[in-house]
Amino acid sequence: GAVVSQHPSWVICKSGTSVKIECRSLDFQATTMFWYRQFPKQSLMLMATSNEGSKATYEQGVEKDKFLINHASLTLSTLTVTSAHPEDSSFYICSARAGGYNEQFFGPGTRLTVL
Amino acid sequence: GQNIDQPTEMTATEGAIVQINCTYQTSGFNGLFWYQQHAGEAPTFLSYNVLDGLEEKGRFSSFLSRSKGYSYLLLKELQMKDSASYLCAVMDSNYQLIWGAGTKLIIKP
Repeated sequence: GAVVSQHPSWVICKSGTSVKIECRSLDFQATTMFWYRQFPKQSLMLMATSNEGSKATYEQGVEKDKFLINHASLTLSTLTVTSAHPEDSSFYICSARAGGYNEQFFGPGTRLTVL
Repeated sequence: GQNIDQPTEMTATEGAIVQINCTYQTSGFNGLFWYQQHAGEAPTFLSYNVLDGLEEKGRFSSFLSRSKGYSYLLLKELQMKDSASYLCAVMDSNYQLIWGAGTKLIIKP
């Protein structure tokens, strides 16, 4: 149990385009979803926390207008990287947490390369 | 401020035992997690400690001392596949995970 999927696994796009990444909890209801970014050889960096049905809470330094997060249902959250640039190239990982539990379950990650 | 400290890199021999330490200073405490992350992959859950003491799970054990702000992950009978980064994370009073930078464990034959 407690499986989280992400789609796509990897994506290559041109600079200036937008990319949407989906995060799904497959066998539980995720009241809270988290979006992380990880650059090579660095630790996870929390970008934002989203609770189902409400606006996401962004970490300091993360542009909410550039990284659009939607958590419209208890099993799906999306992250849209708008007007992507090469510096946005990174490994994006989502995690999900069920209500009343502390453990976060991670998706497999999405590797974004912006040319 | 909030801070998680763990060694950057450790090396151990196949079949041996290794202990990865983690010290923390956070605003509140709702548990400490250990995750394993292989290169290019997402983290996978290893253990969760919220009370003092040792939690054993197969070859892996995790220890917590809340009064000392200290935890360790103990890996026994090391296998080559254990080569990975090990991330220590503390859940603070807001139920947010504060992440350490990770310890890269290198296993040698």
